[in-house]
Amino acid sequence: QQPVQSPQAVILREGEDAVINCSSSKALYSVHWYRQKHGEAPVFLMILLKGGEQKGHDKISASFNEKKQQSSLYLTASQLSYSGTYFCGTPTPAGNQFYFGTGTSLTVIP
Amino acid sequence: KAGVTQTPRYLIKTRGQQVTLSCSPISGHRSVSWYQQTPGQGLQFLFEYFSETQRNKGNFPGRFSGRQFSNSRSEMNVSTLELGDSALYLCAGRGSSGTGELFFGEGSRLTVL
Repeated sequence: QQPVQSPQAVILREGEDAVINCSSSKALYSVHWYRQKHGEAPVFLMILLKGGEQKGHDKISASFNEKKQQSSLYLTASQLSYSGTYFCGTPTPAGNQFYFGTGTSLTVIP
Repeated sequence: KAGVTQTPRYLIKTRGQQVTLSCSPISGHRSVSWYQQTPGQGLQFLFEYFSETQRNKGNFPGRFSGRQFSNSRSEMNVSTLELGDSALYLCAGRGSSGTGELFFGEGSRLTVL
């Protein structure tokens, strides 16, 4: 039931864009996105609650296709501070258990 | 407000020993969940507690156990340690309002020799 993320790793130059995909074989009721910097706690980025919902935070946005059981995270004009590992997570309907993707390591270089 | 506190941050044990890890969530967060993070498997759900009751448990052997106290602080215990238990153990608190986001601690890194 663990979501699958792609790509596993990506290296960008500052200012480039990236897309991280998250797909599940099970129904997605909502999708969370988190970023974990090396040696730090994962930090919440955003949640998408409904199919078709899109959200944005600064130059990071996400979409949720409920029918396709997929979500994508878009990083625009990447900054050095975007480096880290990105996880998608989806809760069970009861909300008391999360399944997280295997993560995408993103490195932004000058 | 104070963040999620996990102790100890680092520890080294040998096979067969047991270990207890502690997690103090943000004040007011009554749900605490635990995750095992390894390079190959990512974040794997261990269990979730709410108001001192375990509500859900992941697919881990019985050597992994936990509990929650009335102040929402939680502990997890791993008995008869194996080499494969080496991992970063993360706990996360969750409030009852808002978006349901998880607030993670920085984790306890366990190395089993």
